[in-house]
Amino acid sequence: TAGITQAPTSQILAAGRSMTLRCTQDMRHNAMYWYRQDLGLGLRLIHYSNTAGTTGKGEVPDGYSVSRANTDDFPLTLASAVPSQTSVYFCASSGTLGARTQYFGPGTRLTVL
Amino acid sequence: AQSVTQLGSHVSVSEGALVLLRCNYSSSVPPYLFWYVQYPNQGLQLLLKYTTGATLVKGINGFEAEFKKSETSFHLTKPSAHMSDAAEYFCAVSEPMGGSYIPTFGRGTSLIVHP
Repeated sequence: TAGITQAPTSQILAAGRSMTLRCTQDMRHNAMYWYRQDLGLGLRLIHYSNTAGTTGKGEVPDGYSVSRANTDDFPLTLASAVPSQTSVYFCASSGTLGARTQYFGPGTRLTVL
Repeated sequence: AQSVTQLGSHVSVSEGALVLLRCNYSSSVPPYLFWYVQYPNQGLQLLLKYTTGATLVKGINGFEAEFKKSETSFHLTKPSAHMSDAAEYFCAVSEPMGGSYIPTFGRGTSLIVHP
């Protein structure tokens, strides 16, 4: 079982460019999340989705957008990247929002120059 | 609003020594509590969790944690550290907000194990 896959593994992006980070899960989980991990700040929730068709804002949503067209996919889009968005991004999923174990993908390391 | 405090960004122990990683939370209602571990260049994986019932929770790799409501704590312990325990450890809390459980992570504690 693949669990959660993320693509790309890493990316260098010029400031002002747009990019979509992909996340796919094969566990049929209802809830999905996007986090960013920065040194000394731990994981901070960007956006989440309780179920297909619904999304919500986390702690640090500005500059990011998400969609949840189906159960399996939860892409994260940076419309116009800025250097402060340099980070490692993790996608996760769980059976229900927040109350169950989250399963994490391997991460995408993004550098915005 | 919930918050999670992990005391100590780095904890250093000798191999065979007791491991104690501290986690305190603030929540208006009893939350769900989790400890996750992250090895270098990997995603997080669950160590253990408390939802309801017994307050002493056992997890993988010999770790355990005790939910103490009066102290709003969920400290992680292991009697004897192994070199393979060296990793980043995250405490996480979920409490209901607006009908949904929204998770919040602590800033993490890096466990260093000396031979």
